Amino acid sequence: ETGVTQTPRHLVMGMTNKKSLKCEQHLGHNAMYWYKQSAKKPLELMFVYNFKEQTENNSVPSRFSPECPNSSHLFLHLHTLQPEDSALYLCASSQDSSSGYNEQFFGPGTRLTVL
Amino acid sequence: GQNIDQPTEMTATEGAIVQINCTYQTSGFNGLFWYQQHAGEAPTFLSYNVLDGLEEKGRFSSFLSRSDSYGYLLLQELQMKDSASYLCAVRDQDYQLSWGAGTRLILKP
Repeated sequence: ETGVTQTPRHLVMGMTNKKSLKCEQHLGHNAMYWYKQSAKKPLELMFVYNFKEQTENNSVPSRFSPECPNSSHLFLHLHTLQPEDSALYLCASSQDSSSGYNEQFFGPGTRLTVL
Repeated sequence: GQNIDQPTEMTATEGAIVQINCTYQTSGFNGLFWYQQHAGEAPTFLSYNVLDGLEEKGRFSSFLSRSDSYGYLLLQELQMKDSASYLCAVRDQDYQLSWGAGTRLILKP
């Protein structure tokens, strides 16, 4: 049990669908992250929230829309995705995104396939 | 931009020692992390170095040389369960992490 849960674990969607990924952390952390992991590529940071405020948006296309209603929950809303968006989407949390030692704890990920 | 380099794949035998190197070019430096990721699972934290030198944690040790922008993860007494990908990540001056593509470690009996 990593303390970070993600649902669903697997998702298949068409390009015209709208779906949402959910992440919840039970560690009392203040920072949450969305990453995209494609085969044989580095983890790509998508969004960072620190104390519910978005602090990072790494030029992510608008078809990905994050939402952080509180420090424990993070959503990624998906609409009109492309097949190249198929990947593993990882959520992580840490105590704080803007200070020194700051280990990130990862959820198990959502394996997304866009048809 | 940020750049983290590590070998794509390494092979070793059970009981042996392996060293996974990581070199980086980042805007400032605030620590080097190693994570382990088994296939189909989440990355899990292994070690953190912010000062030069060797940090030992049981069978796993991690080393950092800031002047060389270089670190390594040393795995000793390898076990089959150590077959995984090992991810190097470096925190820059803005405390943002940049990640390497990972080193896939293949173990043979």
